[in-house]
Amino acid sequence: GENVEQHPSTLSVQEGDSAVIKCTYSDSASNYFPWYKQELGKRPQLIIDIRSNVGEKKDQRIAVTLNKTAKHFSLHITETQPEDSAVYFCAAKLPSGDKLTFGTGTRLAVRP
Amino acid sequence: NAGVMQNPRHLVRRRGQEARLRCSPMKGHSHVYWYRQLPEEGLKFMVYLQKENIIDESGMPKERFSAEFPKEGPSILRIQQVVRGDSAAYFCASSLTGTGDNSPLHFGNGTRLTVT
Repeated sequence: GENVEQHPSTLSVQEGDSAVIKCTYSDSASNYFPWYKQELGKRPQLIIDIRSNVGEKKDQRIAVTLNKTAKHFSLHITETQPEDSAVYFCAAKLPSGDKLTFGTGTRLAVRP
Repeated sequence: NAGVMQNPRHLVRRRGQEARLRCSPMKGHSHVYWYRQLPEEGLKFMVYLQKENIIDESGMPKERFSAEFPKEGPSILRIQQVVRGDSAAYFCASSLTGTGDNSPLHFGNGTRLTVT
């Protein structure tokens, strides 16, 4: 099955700086890579996703890049704000199945 | 659209009791997934169901755990004879057509099970 590793486990940045979270996956057949944000005690919420036929996708201050050759994808948050503080999870999905395999999460703290 | 509804939000059970967790998917969604989240850990897939069918239960323990999604009513995750190691947050998610075609997953607020 698929295995997803995520780094770093914790990240602290100054407000206004950029934050980058990286994930690697094991199965080159994976074709769908969503990112979820989970605030304390709340549900994971989809913030952006990318499919394997695309190398980069951007939505305002959030961007995701995918390198299929190296089997890694990254989340970039620019101009960070305190409300960006949360745990972020990456995930990957194989085309043959319906389950998402999640990374272990990155706890992002944005210092005012 | 009310979103994915889970209840109860918090559930306390003594060792050996049964826990029953409920999930109503988003309106129009017929694909339901259950994930377990241990403290400070990621989401672990448990089971994927469509109406009246279990599609993939590869992440669910073979003993004590069962899941159903009847024709009418919510999906139920049942844990029999709970043990302390079952304490976790259990999240339900639904999608419109199944993530097989990369339809996004929408999560509920979870049920936090505590076994004393």
